[in-house]
Amino acid sequence: DAGVIQSPRHEVTEMGQEVTLRCKPISGHDYLFWYRQTMMRGLELLIYFNNNVPIDDSGMPEDRFSAKMPNASFSTLKIQPSEPRDSAVYFCASRDRAEQYFGPGTRLTVT
Amino acid sequence: KNEVEQSPQNLTAQEGEFITINCSYSVGISALHWLQQHPGGGIVSLFMLSSGKKKHGRLIATINIQEKHSSLHITASHPRDSAVYICAADLQGAQKLVFGQGTRLTINP
Repeated sequence: DAGVIQSPRHEVTEMGQEVTLRCKPISGHDYLFWYRQTMMRGLELLIYFNNNVPIDDSGMPEDRFSAKMPNASFSTLKIQPSEPRDSAVYFCASRDRAEQYFGPGTRLTVT
Repeated sequence: KNEVEQSPQNLTAQEGEFITINCSYSVGISALHWLQQHPGGGIVSLFMLSSGKKKHGRLIATINIQEKHSSLHITASHPRDSAVYICAADLQGAQKLVFGQGTRLTINP
């Protein structure tokens, strides 16, 4: 398996623009997680899905953030409108019942 | 107080030294994870343990459930071990992780 795949790897956008981050989990994994990493706050869970259903979105910072998982092989995290404070590395991870496997991350810069 | 605390936050050592990073947690867990992140790099899972001790090469992870404490040891440290090491508590019944703030390890040649 190719592991967890994320795209794009880097995104630079202007404040106010919509940003969509994409994730393909490892086949067969029934949990998918979205995390954000910043220098100030470290790694934070934003939302996670089980069998494509959102289970816990308490970490989503505000209504500007939304996440979907239309099928077992694809998820998106959308920020609309984006703000400079959203600049961070966003990781997607998947797991079965054991370890989590992280994607390479998307480095988002909002100017 | 954070639910998962790591110490030290920064650690610098010479090549060959024995390294210990500590993690304490205050929540009920089903397992404890140790993760590694190289500068500018992705996150790799090193260990997932729920009791006792695990070893992989020069890395050893231990956990004491009663004391809610885990340690990561590196024997014969090498400059390529320089990275951030993150402890994460796998919350009981929730399938989600709570992370420590990370320990930045630098091994000088």
